[in-house]
Amino acid sequence: TQLLEQSPQFLSIQEGENLTVYCNSSSVFSSLQWYRQEPGEGPVLLVTVVTGGEVKKLKRLTFQFGDARKDSSLHITAAQPGDTGLYLCARTGNQFYFGTGTSLTVIP
Amino acid sequence: NAGVTQTPKFQVLKTGQSMTLQCAQDMNHEYMSWYRQDPGMGLRLIHYSVGAGITDQGEVPNGYNVSRSTTEDFPLRLLSAAPSQTSVYFCASRTDRGLSYEQYFGPGTRLTVT
Repeated sequence: TQLLEQSPQFLSIQEGENLTVYCNSSSVFSSLQWYRQEPGEGPVLLVTVVTGGEVKKLKRLTFQFGDARKDSSLHITAAQPGDTGLYLCARTGNQFYFGTGTSLTVIP
Repeated sequence: NAGVTQTPKFQVLKTGQSMTLQCAQDMNHEYMSWYRQDPGMGLRLIHYSVGAGITDQGEVPNGYNVSRSTTEDFPLRLLSAAPSQTSVYFCASRTDRGLSYEQYFGPGTRLTVT
């Protein structure tokens, strides 16, 4: 098992606040993906990061890949209720390994 | 395109019963996989296939069988259901373009084994 640790496990914030969630591994990623999953649905791919130090932006979401390619973060600016969901990171490869996720609730 | 479809959406089985979870994709993806999702455990890979006629085991394959006779379909069979197989099952398909995998998930099947 290639363990991916995500933190925090749960996060509840007010609309308009900023937040960061983390994904860490003891081994190097070839590439890493972030997904968002809404209740009762399958995960939806948000982004793939490949290069150490890479930063990608998707509207109010900023994804960063660590220089050593062992960790990644997702920062949300001015969170909205529509951001509520489970955020999952995944190590890519022939077999994908997923973290346990961060459950985010944004309160209006 | 319908993407990835799964049936049924909900299922209740008794211990020892068998059943097949259906998965189909219309994106002509070579790679398909089955995951189970349990609280606090994330998504764990059960079986995967890199093309028609080729399957392999993932992280948690025991108690499940798969086959891939066509590019479109990838059914998951539970041979003799056990309460430990109570879970939400997701099928996924993906493209492989170097490191930029684009994986698409179905809506899931929620299975309860009593």
